[in-house]
Amino acid sequence: DGGITQSPKYLFRKEGQNVTLSCEQNLNHDAMYWYRQDPGQGLRLIYYSQIVNDFQKGDIAEGYSVSREKKESFPLTVTSAQKNPTAFYLCASSTVTNEKLFFGSGTQLSVL
Amino acid sequence: GNSVTQMEGPVTLSEEAFLTINCTYTATGYPSLFWYVQYPGEGLQLLLKATKADDKGSNKGFEATYRKETTSFHLEKGSVQVSDSAVYFCALSRGFNAGNMLTFGGGTRLMVKP
Repeated sequence: DGGITQSPKYLFRKEGQNVTLSCEQNLNHDAMYWYRQDPGQGLRLIYYSQIVNDFQKGDIAEGYSVSREKKESFPLTVTSAQKNPTAFYLCASSTVTNEKLFFGSGTQLSVL
Repeated sequence: GNSVTQMEGPVTLSEEAFLTINCTYTATGYPSLFWYVQYPGEGLQLLLKATKADDKGSNKGFEATYRKETTSFHLEKGSVQVSDSAVYFCALSRGFNAGNMLTFGGGTRLMVKP
């Protein structure tokens, strides 16, 4: 079945530690996105990529980094510079011309 | 800039009640509008969409009409079920030149009681 896989489902970060969230898709989509969801709030865009080896900052990119070395993969690193990382992180993908986003099931990141 | 405002929840209804979740937007140009649904512990799924003024999107008994004159895209369902309990997000597309990125509202939690 085609879809988006995020892992792990739950992740814990210690102070000063970098952690990486995985996102893989087998939908053959060119565009991929990372959103952050805080309780009671909407989704905010962190980074997006429309093509391999290229990505753009979204609305809240500070403290995060991404890479897009393969079409299928778009990992997100939450760095120690992100002072409030506790949130639910959602990865999504789409074709470049279609506005419909397909979402993964999310990763809940918490700080120890 | 673009923004989406939804009514705050939670909205609590009895089964078979009528549902309205209000959504208004601010945008330049003519964005496409969407409703996404998020079930507990999951990602979002597209529920319905409308791409131009007066379009009506519909799916699974839900519907919403793109009202340009009132900049609104209210979600309605005539008879809700317990299985409709979820968080509903209204969103607009920033358009092709902006990578088709979505701007989301804050979400409205719906709780349906048997």
